[in-house]
Amino acid sequence: NAGVTQTPKFRVLKTGQSMTLLCAQDMNHEYMYWYRQDPGMGLRLIHYSVGEGTTAKGEVPDGYNVSRLKKQNFLLGLESAAPSQTSVYFCASSYNPYEQYFGPGTRLTVT
Amino acid sequence: DQQVKQNSPSLSVQEGRISILNCDYTNSMFDYFLWYKKYPAEGPTFLISISSIKDKNEDGRFTVFLNKSAKHLSLHIVPSQPGDSAVYFCAASTHSGGSNYKLTFGKGTLLTVNP
Repeated sequence: NAGVTQTPKFRVLKTGQSMTLLCAQDMNHEYMYWYRQDPGMGLRLIHYSVGEGTTAKGEVPDGYNVSRLKKQNFLLGLESAAPSQTSVYFCASSYNPYEQYFGPGTRLTVT
Repeated sequence: DQQVKQNSPSLSVQEGRISILNCDYTNSMFDYFLWYKKYPAEGPTFLISISSIKDKNEDGRFTVFLNKSAKHLSLHIVPSQPGDSAVYFCAASTHSGGSNYKLTFGKGTLLTVNP
């Protein structure tokens, strides 16, 4: 069991570039989440999914899009990266909304 | 508006002593509370939870206390060990009602346990 994996681990983007972060889980969880963590800000929910084919906005969704075409994968897209999107991004999954299993994180820098 | 508040950014304790991490919330609809632990360069891991129908939940060295009237919960670690040094996040959700699928996290408290 790999649990929750995130690809890539690190990325540097220039302003205006696009990228997709991939989250994969092998625990057959229905719920999947994308968070960002910034210094002094804790974990803030970007988007989430309660099942394959569903997505919903979280607390800070602007500038991001997501897709959940397969149950095990949850993709986070940045169409036009901005320096304000420099952050550590965590994916999580769970069988209920509460006890979430987190991936190791992706550190993204936008210059 | 911050609905889950951890007012102490950091806490330092001696090995073997008790660590007490505090969390306050403002949303009276919250009825399920969790603590997560995070080491540097890793994702958070679930530690312990409590439902609002209880006022205490214990798991080994970790105990969570809930005071609903004060909208306050605390995590006690006894005895504290150097390996407990990490950032601790408090989180809350509405467990009943069936339509809420999210956790609201506090900003975290960095615990340092000194040998």
